[in-house]
Amino acid sequence: KNEVEQSPQNLTAQEGEFITINCSYSVGISALHWLQQHPGGGIVSLFMLSSGKKKHGRLIATINIQEKHSSLHITASHPRDSAVYICAVPYKYGNKLVFGAGTILRVKS
Amino acid sequence: KAGVTQTPRYLIKTRGQQVTLSCSPISGHRSVSWYQQTPGQGLQFLFEYFSETQRNKGNFPGRFSGRQFSNSRSEMNVSTLELGDSALYLCASSLETHYEQYFGPGTRLTVT
Repeated sequence: KNEVEQSPQNLTAQEGEFITINCSYSVGISALHWLQQHPGGGIVSLFMLSSGKKKHGRLIATINIQEKHSSLHITASHPRDSAVYICAVPYKYGNKLVFGAGTILRVKS
Repeated sequence: KAGVTQTPRYLIKTRGQQVTLSCSPISGHRSVSWYQQTPGQGLQFLFEYFSETQRNKGNFPGRFSGRQFSNSRSEMNVSTLELGDSALYLCASSLETHYEQYFGPGTRLTVT
């Protein structure tokens, strides 16, 4: 079993839809990262959170430490949100990250 | 502040050769981590350097090595290249442990 599981693997949505991507992990963590990668592009850090909820524009990330689960929500989705979304958790000490397999999101206009 | 920079951006090498990739972190960041991204394995951690010391190492063969200089710039080296080493190599810098990591654009290595 992978230490970080994401679902769904692929997601196609219509512009304007509310989107949820889920991440479950099996290790104890201090924080969880949500990352975004556009096709052919580099990786951008969207959120790092250790409790509760964070919001940035149309993006909302939540985490439940007890249930070892986090969700990334996109409100009013737009074609420019099409990208791969990856959750990652730090492993033990230091800055080593363990990654989920990613969710490929396509938003159609 | 300038972001994380990586050089070169693209590289084509032949099996058996060696390659050195460079990463310049954000000014003031002391931690540099290296990751490999392939379609089959996804993102995998290679190693992390903090204040010139290797602090973590992933499950990669000894052909993969790295170092960090006193100005926090880091290099990674892959010797005796194999076809399977073709990948996007990303570095990320961070101010301290368990802080947000900022990724560079990556170096795309193709081994023929």
